[in-house]
Amino acid sequence: NAGVTQTPKFQVLKTGQSMTLQCAQDMNHEYMSWYRQDPGMGLRLIHYSVGAGITDQGEVPNGYNVSRSTTEDFPLRLLSAAPSQTSVYFCASISGGNTEAFFGQGTRLTVV
Amino acid sequence: GNSVTQMEGPVTLSEEAFLTINCTYTATGYPSLFWYVQYPGEGLQLLLKATKADDKGSNKGFEATYRKETTSFHLEKGSVQVSDSAVYFCALTFNYQLIWGAGTKLIIKP
Repeated sequence: NAGVTQTPKFQVLKTGQSMTLQCAQDMNHEYMSWYRQDPGMGLRLIHYSVGAGITDQGEVPNGYNVSRSTTEDFPLRLLSAAPSQTSVYFCASISGGNTEAFFGQGTRLTVV
Repeated sequence: GNSVTQMEGPVTLSEEAFLTINCTYTATGYPSLFWYVQYPGEGLQLLLKATKADDKGSNKGFEATYRKETTSFHLEKGSVQVSDSAVYFCALTFNYQLIWGAGTKLIIKP
């Protein structure tokens, strides 16, 4: 099993550009989520999904969109990048019964 | 609501010292509890977990016991090594919500 695959690993954007961070899991997990990690602030939830076709906002959703057309994929879109979105982004999926969360390798995004 | 509180860092210890990182939680119902570790420049790795009261999770010499009566899940290790230097996150899942502590940076000096 590949687990959670997150791409790209690094990205530099100019202010105002848009991009999509990809996340895919092959474990048939219903629950997937996106977090951002800023220095000294731990992980903050951006958006999450409890199944295909169902998404909801987390703690810091502004400036980001998500969709969940399949169980496997949960892309995160930055609509118009801002320097405040410079961060490390992690995608996660949670197994049935809440027994474990699996993470992608992270995307280090810099907006200049 | 559900929340996780863990001790602030950084925690600085000498090699072979005893480690405790405190974690307490607030949850409605019966969450699963986790410790994740993040080594410098790397992603998040599951260190250990416990899914019900009185369970003890253990891995790489680290242990934590799910204490329902004190709503705690403290991380311990008897003898730390320089290679244990990392950021440690306590977390819980409940109804598929993953709730994180702020993280504790651990620095081990030789």
